[in-house]
Amino acid sequence: AQKITQTQPGMFVQEKEAVTLDCTYDTSDQSYGLFWYKQPSSGEMIFLIYQGSYDEQNATEGRYSLNFQKARKSANLVISASQLGDSAMYFCAMSSNAGGTSYGKLTFGQGTILTVHP
Amino acid sequence: EPEVTQTPSHQVTQMGQEVILRCVPISNHLYFYWYRQILGQKVEFLVSFYNNEISEKSEIFDDQFSVERPDGSNFTLKIRSTKLEDSAMYFCASNSPMNTEAFFGQGTRLTVV
Repeated sequence: AQKITQTQPGMFVQEKEAVTLDCTYDTSDQSYGLFWYKQPSSGEMIFLIYQGSYDEQNATEGRYSLNFQKARKSANLVISASQLGDSAMYFCAMSSNAGGTSYGKLTFGQGTILTVHP
Repeated sequence: EPEVTQTPSHQVTQMGQEVILRCVPISNHLYFYWYRQILGQKVEFLVSFYNNEISEKSEIFDDQFSVERPDGSNFTLKIRSTKLEDSAMYFCASNSPMNTEAFFGQGTRLTVV
């Protein structure tokens, strides 16, 4: 079974500063994917970034980067130059490529509420 | 940009009634999913659907729930005899073998009273 743990219920950051949101995972699968989604107060789920278990380089997407440490089973999200619009709930999630159901079946963590202060 | 569309955005129903939540996945996607998020809690997988059949389902997805792809575009979640604890946000998602990420709809907030 897969498990995602996000130990930070809430985080605060000053505008324009960088912030790291923690995520650890547990799986017995050899091939898996790690994702971060943003959920603003309006409720939709917005995909941010993906890291494959065999990717040697950390993923980056604009101001988002994923600090992937496979041996530690961690996949922390780093947001650089925080903006007020970054205030939202952030979910770490993982998938398995086993079973052929593609990457859509996700196991989510509990989420971290990020608040960006002006 | 193509997107997953869910209707209605908010549904209020009486306990014991049946509801159907509707989703239009992205047109060239092959894999379809329903997730549930009880208020303030994490998102939970309900069911995945591929090639016109359920490929995987969670413990939550019991006989009260069913899914259907009645035509080439819609993907529905039916909840029979709704209970108060079915109140949640329900997300539809889809992806294709060409994508690594699942694309989520904006969600349907179900309130059972």
